[in-house]
Parts: sequence; structure tokens; C-alpha cells
Amino acid sequence: TQLLEQSPQFLSIQEGENLTVYCNSSSVFSSLQWYRQEPGEGPVLLVTVVTGGEVKKLKRLTFQFGDARKDSSLHITAAQPGDTGLYLCAGHLGKLIFGQGTTLQVKP
Amino acid sequence: DSGVTQTPKHLITATGQRVTLRCSPRSGDLSVYWYQQSLDQGLQFLIQYYNGEERAKGNILERFSAQQFPDLHSELNLSSLELGDSALYFCASSSLIGSQSRQYFGPGTRLTVT
Repeated sequence: TQLLEQSPQFLSIQEGENLTVYCNSSSVFSSLQWYRQEPGEGPVLLVTVVTGGEVKKLKRLTFQFGDARKDSSLHITAAQPGDTGLYLCAGHLGKLIFGQGTTLQVKP
Repeated sequence: DSGVTQTPKHLITATGQRVTLRCSPRSGDLSVYWYQQSLDQGLQFLIQYYNGEERAKGNILERFSAQQFPDLHSELNLSSLELGDSALYFCASSSLIGSQSRQYFGPGTRLTVT
């Protein structure tokens, strides 16, 4: 059983569409991070959220931390082929616990 | 480029063998983390070192061991290898520790056990 459940696992969309990826848990996290990983490379940190209800924006990406600090979402507006990759959420419980990831493919 | 280097990039070996993976953290980072990424288990934390001392342990098998040297580079030793040990092994480093520290990941070592 995964401590952090991500959904969906796979997403294939057309360029210009919007999408949301969810990261859910029954545990409370002191912080939650989102990473993007491309084939052949290590994960790269996109954002860290620490306060319940916090919303952070990174260009076309919007990250939200749930009020109870148990869940988070990543929303991408007008997806582009360059957004293709594996998106991982990770919560800190003395160590980083990663979700299984969401593989996103954006077709031109 | 994260500044974290890992060698080798690829490693193919046979069951029962022993291998050593090497990691050099970003300049100035005292903390090193090792992770294993496989298709069925995802990205799993193995172990963390801080300035030469073991700091935290995750799902690391007894056949695996690691250490961090005085120059802060780290090695992950995998012994009595099994087919199921085939995976990507990542090293990450950070300058701080704690829930808001940023970890920088290396490019990984792909281990194939045949």
C-alpha cells in the first residue's frame, strides 16, 4: 500500500488542454513537494508547499496543498509537449516518501 | 545539470555478484541520500548520510550498505545481487536537512542484473 496515492497514473492529452494530477494520503505531512522527471534523468524539484491551503503558481502550473496537509494537486493550464514527463509528489515524514508518479504525455 | 554526479551510468552484472555505485554531491552539500527506482515500487528512499554519519534509514536491504567519506562522496554497495535488484539508483544531495530542504538528484545509475 502506497502512503501517497497519485492519480491518474497515466495521462495522454493534446497540446492546449488543461489537466489536474492528484496526490492523496491519510497521513499529515509537514511539507509536500512536486518533482518532474524526464527519461534518463533524475527528478527535478518544481515546488515545495508547507502551509495547509497554500497555493503556488509556477507559470502555467498551479500547486495546491490541502487544508489538512494530507493531499495536494497539480494543475497545468494549456499543456505543451515540453510538459511531457513523470510527475512525482513527495511528502516529508522524517524522510521523503514518493508517490508512484503520473506519466504525462502531451501530443502536439 | 544538478551538480550531483554518479558513476557508472550503466552497470550490467550477474546474480550473486557485488557492485559499488559512486556519488559526488554538489559542492558544499553535506547530506547525501540514496534512492532506488523500479517500475513496481516507484522511487524508494534507501539511506541518508550527513557529514559522514548515517542520518536516516529507509527500505534498505541487509545486502546493501553505504558510506560517506571525509571528502563527502558516497558509495552504495550492493551484494549477493538478485534479479529483483535491477533498477535505477539515484543519489541526491542537499545543504540542509529537514522537511523544507531541497534535494538535488543525480542522473542515476541503471543496474541490470542478469
